[in-house]
Amino acid sequence: EPEVTQTPSHQVTQMGQEVILRCVPISNHLYFYWYRQILGQKVEFLVSFYNNEISEKSEIFDDQFSVERPDGSNFTLKIRSTKLEDSAMYFCASSLGLGDEQFFGPGTRLTVL
Amino acid sequence: GIQVEQSPPDLILQEGANSTLRCNFSDSVNNLQWFHQNPWGQLINLFYIPSGTKQNGRLSATTVATERYSLLYISSSQTTDSGVYFCAVEGNYGQNFVFGPGTRLSVLP
Repeated sequence: EPEVTQTPSHQVTQMGQEVILRCVPISNHLYFYWYRQILGQKVEFLVSFYNNEISEKSEIFDDQFSVERPDGSNFTLKIRSTKLEDSAMYFCASSLGLGDEQFFGPGTRLTVL
Repeated sequence: GIQVEQSPPDLILQEGANSTLRCNFSDSVNNLQWFHQNPWGQLINLFYIPSGTKQNGRLSATTVATERYSLLYISSSQTTDSGVYFCAVEGNYGQNFVFGPGTRLSVLP
């Protein structure tokens, strides 16, 4: 069964460093998403991506964040200069179309020291 | 934007008991999914259920879209059912999921 994969599973970084979180969505899906979950809190939407551009983003997704689909398979989230409050679990998801089931990856746990 | 509430916030059961978790949402939805977050933090997709009823083993879910709620039923609960259950909805005009605050379930042996 096709699945969304994410790497790395855990990333530790120093405050101020850049990190890139990687995702491989399901191959025939057209919509891609990033969500984050701060420890003990609910899952929050960050950004959606369709047709090689951002289609929607939340207030959390400020200038420190960017997304890219560098090739036909990968979907990345870059945090330019990490802050302590960026420590969270980051989930990637993909769906075939709007309103269709979203399939989530296993997450990347980011720890900023 | 669309609001999502879940009840109860916490639930403690003895193994073998049944339970019902509720999700209320404030507007019409294109998509509604139930997830179980396991102890490793992974979100396990339980149901894609914008309307109607589905069953998968000991779990079943019903969404009454016209009344803006969904129910997740867990029968004969097991300790492995412990964790946080999230409901997430996608509104008719939005492209992203809004997650509820979750129900933390603890099943005791």
